[in-house]
Amino acid sequence: GQNIDQPTEMTATEGAIVQINCTYQTSGFNGLFWYQQHAGEAPTFLSYNVLDGLEEKGRFSSFLSRSKGYSYLLLKELQMKDSASYLCAGMDSNYQLIWGAGTKLIIKP
Amino acid sequence: IAGITQAPTSQILAAGRRMTLRCTQDMRHNAMYWYRQDLGLGLRLIHYSNTAGTTGKGEVPDGYSVSRANTDDFPLTLASAVPSQTSVYFCASSGTSGSTDTKYFGPGTRLTVL
Repeated sequence: GQNIDQPTEMTATEGAIVQINCTYQTSGFNGLFWYQQHAGEAPTFLSYNVLDGLEEKGRFSSFLSRSKGYSYLLLKELQMKDSASYLCAGMDSNYQLIWGAGTKLIIKP
Repeated sequence: IAGITQAPTSQILAAGRRMTLRCTQDMRHNAMYWYRQDLGLGLRLIHYSNTAGTTGKGEVPDGYSVSRANTDDFPLTLASAVPSQTSVYFCASSGTSGSTDTKYFGPGTRLTVL
C-alpha cells in the first residue's frame, strides 16, 4: 500500500534549527513535496525534490533519499511565524499525491 | 489578485440536505481538485478534473459529485449530507494534470453536518 509517515508534533525554540522527517511508500515515485499550513489556512507550497540530495531555499532546505524512502525538511533560524503544520506528500506513478497527516511545529520564545 | 476562491467559508448543515461548495480559479489552470482534510489524516482526494468537460473519482468519492462546465469553476455537491462529511474542504488547481506542477489551494470551506 501507499503510506506517508511523519511525526505528529514537534517543539523547537525561536532562533534554533529543526528537522522534520518523512518516510514514504508509493507505487512508483515522481517526487516528494513539502507544504506549509498555518492554522485555519490553506496549504502553501514549500519545496519539491525528485533527485537525491539537498535543495536549499533560504531558511528552508529539503532533503531526499530515494533508496531509503526518506525525506526531511530543515528549518533554520526559526521564527515565531514558522509555527504551522508541515505536510509531506509523495507523488506516485500516476502523478497522484499521497499526503501525510502533517507535523505540527510549535515554536517557543 | 490571481488565485482560488471558495464559498462559503463555513457552513452548518442539517443531515439529508443538499449542499454545493463553490470553487473558482483565475489562473487558467487546466487541472482542478477537491480534497477533504480531517484531524489526524492526510488530505484525501475526492474528485478531480484534468480539463474542462472531464472529471474523475479520487480516493473518497462516495456521496459527492462534481462538474466542470468551464475552466474556472469546479463546484462540489453533496446530494444528501451525512455527519461523516463534516470536514474542511479544499479546492486546488495546477497547470496540468499528470505532472509535477505545484498545486495551489483555496482558503477552504469548513462544513459541519448535524
